[in-house]
Amino acid sequence: DGGITQSPKYLFRKEGQNVTLSCEQNLNHDAMYWYRQDPGQGLRLIYYSQIVNDFQKGDIAEGYSVSREKKESFPLTVTSAQKNPTAFYLCASSIEGSGTEAFFGQGTRLTVV
Amino acid sequence: GQQVMQIPQYQHVQEGEDFTTYCNSSTTLSNIQWYKQRPGGHPVFLIQLVKSGEVKKQKRLTFQFGEAKKNSSLHITATQTTDVGTYFCAGRGPSNDYKLSFGAGTTVTVRA
Repeated sequence: DGGITQSPKYLFRKEGQNVTLSCEQNLNHDAMYWYRQDPGQGLRLIYYSQIVNDFQKGDIAEGYSVSREKKESFPLTVTSAQKNPTAFYLCASSIEGSGTEAFFGQGTRLTVV
Repeated sequence: GQQVMQIPQYQHVQEGEDFTTYCNSSTTLSNIQWYKQRPGGHPVFLIQLVKSGEVKKQKRLTFQFGEAKKNSSLHITATQTTDVGTYFCAGRGPSNDYKLSFGAGTTVTVRA
């Protein structure tokens, strides 16, 4: 089945630790995105990538890092510099950037204690 | 930078009534998309509008793109319990910009 996979669904980490969220797609999509969702704040864009080895900061990139070494993979690292990391993280992809729908993964709920 | 604002944040609707959610952008958009997220789920694409003044319908849902391509609306008639969820608009800037910015969403609850 084609799709976009995020793992794990739930993740717990201690404060001060870096954590990497996985996002893999087998849709052959060029563009990939990471969003953070908090209650009442919608989806806020963290990073996005148009092509392999290239990515841009979104609206709330501070405290996060990404890589795009392969077309199908776009992992997100939540660093200890992120002041409020507990949130629901959604990864998405689209065929190209402009004019095409985004497909979302199931999301990862990160809780930092 | 590009910002997309959406109102209202919450909409409590009696089953059978109509309602509208509105989306406004600070900049001109190349297109606007609408998504629905069911409780506990992930956003799912509903529709895309590209042309100035465009209107599209999906059964009881009517989507409109403003003449200036800076605002959009989603109107639902005869609301049903299956309409429960959060509706997001998402806008793209210039055609060479891959950035997809979402509004805060309108969370809809339905009273039977």
